Parts: sequence; C-alpha cells; structure tokens
Amino acid sequence: SQQGEEDPQALSIQEGENATMNCSYKTSINNLQWYRQNSGRGLVHLILIRSNEREKHSGRLRVTLDTSKKSSSLLITASRAADTASYFCALILTGNQFYFGTGTSLTVIP
Amino acid sequence: EAGVVQSPRYKIIEKKQPVAFWCNPISGHNTLYWYLQNLGQGPELLIRYENEEAVDDSQLPKDRFSAERLKGVDSTLKIQPAELGDSAVYLCASSLGGLTGELFFGEGSRLTVL
Repeated sequence: SQQGEEDPQALSIQEGENATMNCSYKTSINNLQWYRQNSGRGLVHLILIRSNEREKHSGRLRVTLDTSKKSSSLLITASRAADTASYFCALILTGNQFYFGTGTSLTVIP
Repeated sequence: EAGVVQSPRYKIIEKKQPVAFWCNPISGHNTLYWYLQNLGQGPELLIRYENEEAVDDSQLPKDRFSAERLKGVDSTLKIQPAELGDSAVYLCASSLGGLTGELFFGEGSRLTVL
C-alpha cells in the first residue's frame, strides 16, 4: 500500500524553469528519500533527508522536510530535458521499511 | 560492480499459468525487497528479506504468490496461478540496510497476463 501521496500527479514545464513536487504522509518516519525513475527503468536514489533536518541540497536538487506537517518537497532548479522522469518520495520507517509515494510525472519541454 | 540483476525483463503468459522472476542483488547487500508497480503508480512492497529470513511479507498475496531467498543471496518470486490483475512490473531492490541506506533497484520484470 502507498504510504505517501504526491502532488501534482503530473507536471509539464519548459527547460530552464524550476520544478517543485510535494509529498505528504501520515505516519511517523525516520527519514525520507527521493527517487527518480526513467520510463521502463528501475528507480534511482537522488537524495536523503533525515527526520531532524529541515533542508538539504545536492547540485540542482533542494529537498525540504516539515515533520510537523508531515510533508516534504523536492525542487529541481534550472530543469533540463534529461530531467524528464517520474519522481517518488520514499518514507523510511523503522527496521529498513521503505514505502513509496504515488509519484509525480515530470515532463521538461526543450 | 554489477548492479541488481533481474530476469526475465519481459514475460507474457496466459492466465492460470505459473511464472517466476529471479533477482540477484548487489554483492554484500543483506536486505532484499520485492515491489510491485502498476502503471502510473509507485512501487508497493510485496516482501522484504533480511539475509534469508522474510521479515515483512504482510502484503504478499500468499494464496498465489511465494518467494524464497536461499542462502541469503539470490531470490525468486513466483506466481501460481497468474491472474489478469497480476499484470505489472515486478521490481527487486537491495540495500546494505540501516535507516540511512539507499535502495538499489533492478530494471524490473514486466509481466503481461492474457
């Protein structure tokens, strides 16, 4: 079962623009990760944010986490056509329990 | 180093037929996951192994699905008999474990049940 819900379900932007996607959840977590999935491929880890962190940066990625609101956001700055993919948040509970969100499908138009 | 290897990549079968998927995780990864992914959805956990022990199989439909991880390395997921609703991508992932460990995914096995 899905533990996280993402919005928007789909997002279409022009190359160079920023893309923001959000993940909301209901359970308590130890940390949260974001993954990317190109069409027909497996998921690839992007970034981890611990439950005691509020913001994390990695290259063009910026992740925020608000545990009081049980939500996280992923911002991709200066998007490129190659960023076209589906993005999933993963909630990490105790004991190596990984549960994925419903995903946001991002299309970056050249 | 090789990543997570899954086979077959694609499988088409008639309903009521059996099917099996195989996964070879990254060497040294003790934790192995099987996920099911329907089109346009996120992965849903089927079963998680710590070494050879299935520690979380609460979402595995045990009437028709079975899994094993002999010797704590390779794993096989079986469906018998397959139903039309089983058409999906079956993803295998492995991890070193720990709360900050990331999952490494295989390319998935796409099943079509006719």
